[in-house]
Amino acid sequence: GIQVEQSPPDLILQEGANSTLRCNFSDSVNNLQWFHQNPWGQLINLFYIPSGTKQNGRLSATTVATERYSLLYISSSQTTDSGVYFCAVGQGGKLIFGQGTELSVKP
Amino acid sequence: EPEVTQTPSHQVTQMGQEVILRCVPISNHLYFYWYRQILGQKVEFLVSFYNNEISEKSEIFDDQFSVERPDGSNFTLKIRSTKLEDSAMYFCASTPPGAQETQYFGPGTRLLVL
Repeated sequence: GIQVEQSPPDLILQEGANSTLRCNFSDSVNNLQWFHQNPWGQLINLFYIPSGTKQNGRLSATTVATERYSLLYISSSQTTDSGVYFCAVGQGGKLIFGQGTELSVKP
Repeated sequence: EPEVTQTPSHQVTQMGQEVILRCVPISNHLYFYWYRQILGQKVEFLVSFYNNEISEKSEIFDDQFSVERPDGSNFTLKIRSTKLEDSAMYFCASTPPGAQETQYFGPGTRLLVL
């Protein structure tokens, strides 16, 4: 089955710093979503981005489908950005999740 | 904005007991999913459901699990005889009609089996 790898596994930032999270996947997909899991365990939809670039405030994402990777950019990070960021991909139906990147933003 | 809702938010049960986790998907959505996340691990697909039948299930979804859409709004996951290793967060998700659409996740039910 399709493999999803995220890097880095952990990331510690000072408030105000920028970061880039990466998601590599092993096969062509027609769905790619980025989620933020908050401290209460909820999965918050960030982007639906099977290809192209999207921006939402301080967050943006780019997926290069032909090269099978996606990037999530966080600019001017805040302590509330802390949590685990998951990439999930699909080929029609179920989503397959990566292991996540655990982000900690220090004040 | 419409949301997927799940009840209960937390459930504690004894090993061997049956549990039913409930979900109310977004009203015009047609595809429904259950996922689980064991503490500290990634989210894993359990089952997908469309047109009142299972469309795909994972190896995890064995005979102890079943899903049902008992009416026009609820979507349930039943675990017949819980085991310790069923302790996890269970997420319901739904998708509108169309081949390529965002999956919207509920807030989850945290299940603890003692």
